[in-house]
Amino acid sequence: KAGVTQTPRYLIKTRGQQVTLSCSPISGHRSVSWYQQTPGQGLQFLFEYFSETQRNKGNFPGRFSGRQFSNSRSEMNVSTLELGDSALYLCASSLDRGRVTEAFFGQGTRLTVV
Amino acid sequence: GENVEQHPSTLSVQEGDSAVIKCTYSDSASNYFPWYKQELGKGPQLIIDIRSNVGEKKDQRIAVTLNKTAKHFSLHITETQPEDSAVYFCAARHNAGGTSYGKLTFGQGTILTVHP
Repeated sequence: KAGVTQTPRYLIKTRGQQVTLSCSPISGHRSVSWYQQTPGQGLQFLFEYFSETQRNKGNFPGRFSGRQFSNSRSEMNVSTLELGDSALYLCASSLDRGRVTEAFFGQGTRLTVV
Repeated sequence: GENVEQHPSTLSVQEGDSAVIKCTYSDSASNYFPWYKQELGKGPQLIIDIRSNVGEKKDQRIAVTLNKTAKHFSLHITETQPEDSAVYFCAARHNAGGTSYGKLTFGQGTILTVHP
């Protein structure tokens, strides 16, 4: 069974540009969450999508957005990149049915803003 | 909102010793507590979890305990091996009927080093 797939693995962008990251969840999983991981702030929740709807959002500026498609694949977008957006962006998928709520992470996308 | 504190930030043990990592949480409505292991260059891997209706759970060399009254939970690794060396994260989630849904709040992580 394939795990969570994130593409690309590495990205280098220039300040002011925008970037789109992609996440394919485990087959059958309906919930996709995004997290930002930095050495200083640790793992911080960005947002969660379920059935193509954002159902929870963390404390990030509006430059961070996302969406989920009908096949549960998700993308997140960061506009007007800042140096501080350099981080590992992680996607987690969950079946989210009844008591089955375990979240499984992908390898992440390492974003460097220069 | 939820706040999770994790201690220690670094832990160094000899192979074969036990390792204990502790976390406290602030939201008494949190009811699901997973632990993740993250190796260099990889995403966090779920290693064990516990729900609020259970006090202890064990899986081979790994165990987790939960004290709801004190709002703390711990990870215990016995007979440590060099391949246990990694960063370990605890997390908490409020799941039922509230607005947190799938949101996990993480501790700051513990760097575990197991010396051969």
